[in-house]
This record gives sequence, C-alpha cells and structure tokens, in this order.
Amino acid sequence: QVELKESGPGLVRPSETLSLTCTVSGDSVNDHYWHWIRQSPGKGLEWLGYIYYSGAATYNPSLRGRVAMSIDTSRNTFSLNLNSVTAADTAVYYCAREAFKVDDTTASVIYWFDPWGQGTLVTVSS
Amino acid sequence: AIQMTQSPSSLSASVGDRVIITCRASQGIRKDLGWYQQRPGKAPKLLIYDASTLQGGVPSRFSGSGSGTDFTLTISGLEPEDFATYYCLQVYNYPRTFGQGTKLEIK
Repeated sequence: QVELKESGPGLVRPSETLSLTCTVSGDSVNDHYWHWIRQSPGKGLEWLGYIYYSGAATYNPSLRGRVAMSIDTSRNTFSLNLNSVTAADTAVYYCAREAFKVDDTTASVIYWFDPWGQGTLVTVSS
Repeated sequence: AIQMTQSPSSLSASVGDRVIITCRASQGIRKDLGWYQQRPGKAPKLLIYDASTLQGGVPSRFSGSGSGTDFTLTISGLEPEDFATYYCLQVYNYPRTFGQGTKLEIK
C-alpha cells in the first residue's frame, strides 16, 4: 500500500520561504512523477508542479519563479520550497503520485494522480 | 494553460438519484482526464482516469465518459457517502489544471 505524508512548519512569516517534505512509503520515488497541489481555504485545487527522480521538474507558471522542488532518492522523499510567501499562499498543501501506464491498444500513455497525501495546512502570517 | 470548466458548481440531490457532472476543456485533451472526489477535511480521491476507467475499489455506480473537450461523471443511485465535492483534472499537458469543483449536497 502506497502512502504519502506531508511534513513541515504550519506557520510561515510573510516574505519567508515555505518548505515542505513528502515522505513516500510503499513505493520508490525512482518510479512515477511526484507532484504538489494546494487548496486555499474554501477554494479549489491548484497544481504547483512535479519532480522526477532525475531531478527534472516542471512548475506552474502562475508561481512566477518562486517555486523549487527537489527529490532525495536515498530518503525516498521529495520537497517543495516556495519563497517570498504572502497571505495568498495560505493553503492546505498536498503531495501526490502521478502514476502512468502504456495503453496496450493505442500505445498512448495514461496518467492518473493516486494516492494523495493527507494534506498539511500552512498559514502565512506574522 | 487549458481551462477546465465544470458544471454545475453545486447540485442538490437525494439518495438514490442519478446525477451528472460535466467538465469542458478549452481545447481538445483526447481522453486525458480524471475525476476526483473530495470529502470535507480529506484529500481528493481518484475515482476515474482516462476519462472512463474506474479506479480499483471505486463502486460501479460511478462512471465517466467523453473525449476531446466534453466529459461527464455520472453517479447512478446516490449513496449518503457520495455527498462531497467533485473535481475534474486534465493530464494532457502542463500545467495540469483542475475544474473549479462541483459540490454535491443532500436535498
């Protein structure tokens, strides 16, 4: 059974850096793609980016270069850093695995997000 | 970025009802779409991927259809535990984008 769990400070001061780690159990971070998603209070879901075991990453342009992700294959974890935070970054942050397979009939790649971590609330406030 | 537009944004229904939630993509995304259920205070849970493939362990009353730009999630015979918020997610390209959500409430 694959499980993901987010950890990190629940309170971050404005203009500082939000840092979270996702610990993966039951699977290796050397497989699949590893994502961060957030949900502002009472709002919908926003995709932040992903990282691959090689260190390759893709981020949401809406974050305007404030985001960086890293991966530690020895610890089976991956991390999110978001700098210059404001109150607008207050949210529940989720990590998730994006699994994939090749369709036998069409040879196309099929992707899905499963599982997700339980989420961790990060509040930006002085 | 591809915009995903869900409708309705909220929906009232009764146990036993059949409901349909739609998701429209701003451009064609083949079948690269998933549906997720989120109960209050919980993480989203995968229901359907590849537009119509039911994730293991998900009840068969959930079904998905569509391709290109128009997709539907159908719940046939609502159970009390189905009252939640549902999101679509396109996995066709980056940035991945979600619909704004459909809150399914008890009538």
